[in-house]
Amino acid sequence: AQSVSQHNHHVILSEAASLELGCNYSYGGTVNLFWYVQYPGQHLQLLLKYFSGDPLVKGIKGFEAEFIKSKFSFNLRKPSVQWSDTAEYFCAVNPGPNNAGNMLTFGGGTRLMVKP
Amino acid sequence: DAGVIQSPRHEVTEMGQEVTLRCKPISGHDYLFWYRQTMMRGLELLIYFNNNVPIDDSGMPEDRFSAKMPNASFSTLKIQPSEPRDSAVYFCASSFGAGSTETQYFGPGTRLLVL
Repeated sequence: AQSVSQHNHHVILSEAASLELGCNYSYGGTVNLFWYVQYPGQHLQLLLKYFSGDPLVKGIKGFEAEFIKSKFSFNLRKPSVQWSDTAEYFCAVNPGPNNAGNMLTFGGGTRLMVKP
Repeated sequence: DAGVIQSPRHEVTEMGQEVTLRCKPISGHDYLFWYRQTMMRGLELLIYFNNNVPIDDSGMPEDRFSAKMPNASFSTLKIQPSEPRDSAVYFCASSFGAGSTETQYFGPGTRLLVL
C-alpha cells in the first residue's frame, strides 16, 4: 500500500523566513500529488497539485512545490512566510493515470506556526 | 456555489448514542468521500462513493460505522453505538470526474465529541 510521509510534524518560523516542508511517498508508479492547507478552525483547501509537465508547480499565496521523481518527493516551499500562513499543511497522493477512483492518501500533516 | 455543506458543525453526545452526520456535496460532483481526522491518526479516508454507489469502505473502522448516499445530493455517516474513541473531526469531500488529477473539495467538518 502506498504511504505518504511528512517528517516535520511542527515547524516554527519567524515572518519573512523561507519555508520548506518535506513530503515523501512510497508508490512506485505514476502519481498525482497534492498539497492541502487547513487554516485554524477551517476546512482543507487545495494549495497546488501536480500531475504532469513542469515538475515545479506554482500554487496560491506564493507557494510552490517541486516534484523529484528519483527521490519520491514533493516538497512545498515559500520564499518568505507571513503570519497568515500559520496552518496545518497536508501532502496527498493518488496513483494515476489509470486510477479507477479518486482516493487520496494523506500524510500526517505539518503544523506551521509563523511568529509575527 | 455554496461548496460542500456538512451538518451539524458540532455534536456532543454520550457513549452509546447514535450519531448521524450529514453531507451535501457540490452540485454536479459524482464522487463523495468521508474522512476522519484525529491527532493520533491524522486524516483517514473512511469510505467513498461514485454516482451514489459505495466503492471502497475499507477505511470504515468497524460495524458501528455505516454510510449511505441515497441520492446525488445527500450522504450520511452513522455511528451506532458511539464510543469516546470516535471523537474526531469528520470531513466530507466531493469531486467531479474519474480522473485521479481531480481536486477534492472539503466541507467545514463536523466536530464530534463522545463523552
